[in-house]
Amino acid sequence: EVQLLESGGGLVQPGGSLRLSCAASGFVFSSYAMSWVRQAPGKGLEWVSSISESGGSTNYADSVKGRFIISRDSSKNTLYLQMYSLRAEDRAIYYCAKLGTTVVTPMTNWGQGTLITVSS
Amino acid sequence: QSVLTQPPSVSAAPGQKVTISCSGSSSNIGHNFVSWYQQLPGTAPKLLIYDNDKRPSGIPDRFSGSKSGTSATLGITGLQTGDEADYYCGTWDSSLSAWVFGGGTKLTVL
Repeated sequence: EVQLLESGGGLVQPGGSLRLSCAASGFVFSSYAMSWVRQAPGKGLEWVSSISESGGSTNYADSVKGRFIISRDSSKNTLYLQMYSLRAEDRAIYYCAKLGTTVVTPMTNWGQGTLITVSS
Repeated sequence: QSVLTQPPSVSAAPGQKVTISCSGSSSNIGHNFVSWYQQLPGTAPKLLIYDNDKRPSGIPDRFSGSKSGTSATLGITGLQTGDEADYYCGTWDSSLSAWVFGGGTKLTVL
């Protein structure tokens, strides 16, 4: 059974940094692309970033480009999202999602999400 | 403003059928597969339809998907109260090199 468990969420001040982790199990992590998707309170889904199965290719939404970095460690079966210069509008539940074999394939499995609050 | 356009809400009675539309452009729906996601209240999204019209294992055949040109449609027959949820369409946008979602449609089963 595919399991994705996000961690690292919490309260951070504007301008601060935070690193999210997503521990994956139940599939061959190194064979699948992965994504982060966020959802602000009461709002819709917003794609944040994707990374190829090898980690060699990454994509970012314009809203986070230059501030967030996606990465993966296949030895730990873990996906990361390093977030810098956080803003109030980054407040959201952040979901980790497993894609197919490439970044253009659908999000087949989702984690339960971790909440980020940006406030002073 | 979402790249993909969905109606904010739809409603129908139990047992009836409903469709949810998703409109895009040539750079997204027009050239890539569409997937649909169901988000029950207070839970994470779940893949409902992929590659325009395919259902993952465990998804009942009451749920169907189709695509024509730059639009896609999700259909749900035999509506149940447990189908009340937010539904999102999504696809890859080749021009943006980004995943894009619709704004979501809230389904109410009256």
